[in-house]
Amino acid sequence: KAGVTQTPRYLIKTRGQQVTLSCSPISGHRSVSWYQQTPGQGLQFLFEYFSETQRNKGNFPGRFSGRQFSNSRSEMNVSTLELGDSALYLCASSPDGQPRSPLHFGSGTRLTVT
Amino acid sequence: KNEVEQSPQNLTAQEGEFITINCSYSVGISALHWLQQHPGGGIVSLFMLSSGKKKHGRLIATINIQEKHSSLHITASHPRDSAVYICAVQTDSNYQLIWGAGTKLIIKP
Repeated sequence: KAGVTQTPRYLIKTRGQQVTLSCSPISGHRSVSWYQQTPGQGLQFLFEYFSETQRNKGNFPGRFSGRQFSNSRSEMNVSTLELGDSALYLCASSPDGQPRSPLHFGSGTRLTVT
Repeated sequence: KNEVEQSPQNLTAQEGEFITINCSYSVGISALHWLQQHPGGGIVSLFMLSSGKKKHGRLIATINIQEKHSSLHITASHPRDSAVYICAVQTDSNYQLIWGAGTKLIIKP
């Protein structure tokens, strides 16, 4: 089975631009969650999708949004980029997103905002 | 106070030493994860625990639910074990993970 695939691996954007990141879960997994990792804040939960519905959302501004497609692939969008959005963005997939379901992580997308 | 605390923050040891990394948490959990992150960012899930002990190769993870504490042990440590080890808990009330700050481990040859 292929693992969780995140694209692109690296991205450089300018302040004010928008960016879209992609996460393809393990085949058969229906839950995808997104996390932001910054040096100052560590890893923080962004949101979780299950069967195309956002089930849970972290404490991030509305500039951060996401969606999930019928094939369970998920995208995350950040609009009006700020310097502080520079981070590693990780996604994780699980069969159903239930507590105790195994989580599988992608390698992340490293976003640099200049 | 953070809901998930790891110790130590940094650990440097010689090859072959027995390593212990600790994780304490203050919330109700359904599961606890130990993850490894190498330079370059990719995260690998090592263990998911809800009780007892798990072993995989030279890695052992234990959890004490009553004491809200988990440990990750590495036996016969090797320089390739150098990485950041992160503890994360799945709360029993929602689907998100709460992450520890990580322990940076350096194993010197």
